[in-house]
Amino acid sequence: GGIITQTPKFLIGQEGQKLTLKCQQNFNHDTMYWYRQDSGKGLRLIYYSITENDLQKGDLSEGYDASREKKSSFSLTVTSAQKNEMAVFLCASSMGLGGLQNTLYFGAGTRLSVL
Amino acid sequence: AQSVDQPDAHVTLSEGASLELRCSYSYSAAPYLFWYVQYPGQSLQFLLKYITGDTVVKGTKGFEAEFRKSNSSFNLKKSPAHWSDSAKYFCALSNTGYQNFYFGKGTSLTVIP
Repeated sequence: GGIITQTPKFLIGQEGQKLTLKCQQNFNHDTMYWYRQDSGKGLRLIYYSITENDLQKGDLSEGYDASREKKSSFSLTVTSAQKNEMAVFLCASSMGLGGLQNTLYFGAGTRLSVL
Repeated sequence: AQSVDQPDAHVTLSEGASLELRCSYSYSAAPYLFWYVQYPGQSLQFLLKYITGDTVVKGTKGFEAEFRKSNSSFNLKKSPAHWSDSAKYFCALSNTGYQNFYFGKGTSLTVIP
């Protein structure tokens, strides 16, 4: 078994601030993801990475940067926090390409509030 | 374009009843379909998946789902339901051409004891 650790659990920021969320996994999975979960909107993909130093934009990448400097870690940066923004950011990983390997494992999430 | 629709935002039923949560998808190729569950205060957990083969797939916690290509559906079922099944359930579709998953908006299930 393995675990995905997201830090911090709660993040409070100011409007316009740059905020960084971190994710670590010990599954030794190749692929990692960042999703945003908003109430009533399901999960939307922000970025994913299929290997170290690879970055792929998802449907919601505008306003975010990502970094995958090591296989085990994947960070997400909110480049300029929007006032009154509230969402949960979920990190996930999967073994790699191909249907049988396509099961996602999720972290507990980082809950963002912007004042 | 790929998409997943979960038409029921909320479902409420009594313990012991049969539950069926609906999921439909839009995808031009063969889909990989998943169900995930999110218990209150927790993150998403994998329940089951359909890749190929048998159209009825069984997962954890007594759940099963049936893939119906004819109407592009992948409904989640369990009988009988238990109060501990109260959670939010997400249906997802994977495109095997690249690493992306499309999630529905989720169905919040409440099972009344």
